[in-house]
Amino acid sequence: AQSVTQLGSHVSVSEGALVLLRCNYSSSVPPYLFWYVQYPNQGLQLLLKYTTGATLVKGINGFEAEFKKSETSFHLTKPSAHMSDAAEYFCAVEGAGNMLTFGGGTRLMVKP
Amino acid sequence: GAVVSQHPSWVICKSGTSVKIECRSLDFQATTMFWYRQFPKQSLMLMATSNEGSKATYEQGVEKDKFLINHASLTLSTLTVTSAHPEDSSFYICSAIDAFGMSYEQYFGPGTRLTVT
Repeated sequence: AQSVTQLGSHVSVSEGALVLLRCNYSSSVPPYLFWYVQYPNQGLQLLLKYTTGATLVKGINGFEAEFKKSETSFHLTKPSAHMSDAAEYFCAVEGAGNMLTFGGGTRLMVKP
Repeated sequence: GAVVSQHPSWVICKSGTSVKIECRSLDFQATTMFWYRQFPKQSLMLMATSNEGSKATYEQGVEKDKFLINHASLTLSTLTVTSAHPEDSSFYICSAIDAFGMSYEQYFGPGTRLTVT
């Protein structure tokens, strides 16, 4: 069975500061990992995903994440936060039948 | 490409009535669609997996007689909330997998907000 833990339900950063959203996973098989962003009253938009190969994955809007097997982590980062980055972020791991298990979500707030 | 739509985007209904939500893949064929429910300030919880031409597979704790899922074509899945009650008020999101795509990425719809009064 898969599980995902996102540390910190709320993260607040200043505009221009580094964004770090934490995700740890549990999986009995080599994981496929995803980060999604959700704006209010909208569906999910894929930021990036890791399947195989390079462990540092670059996504849209300047985000990237690094798969660290030894730490069972897939933290999301962005060097410089923008006001438009304020949203809810979900980490997810894919299991059998392409089913996704989501973490609890992290609300990112960006202060001017 | 890979657009998923949902209709309606929001709906208000009275307790005891039924509501149908549509999920459509607009530019691809989807043999598999998923239905999620998201309560305020919470994560997405998978309700069921919808496979074209067969019965849906429901997650533990989800009442299949209350949440009727039909996946009659490769581009349409419907979720019907029967005899809705206020506790069914939630944000319902569907996703679809491109049957002929190179990956098995799930494409998400914009969601439907259901309010039961």
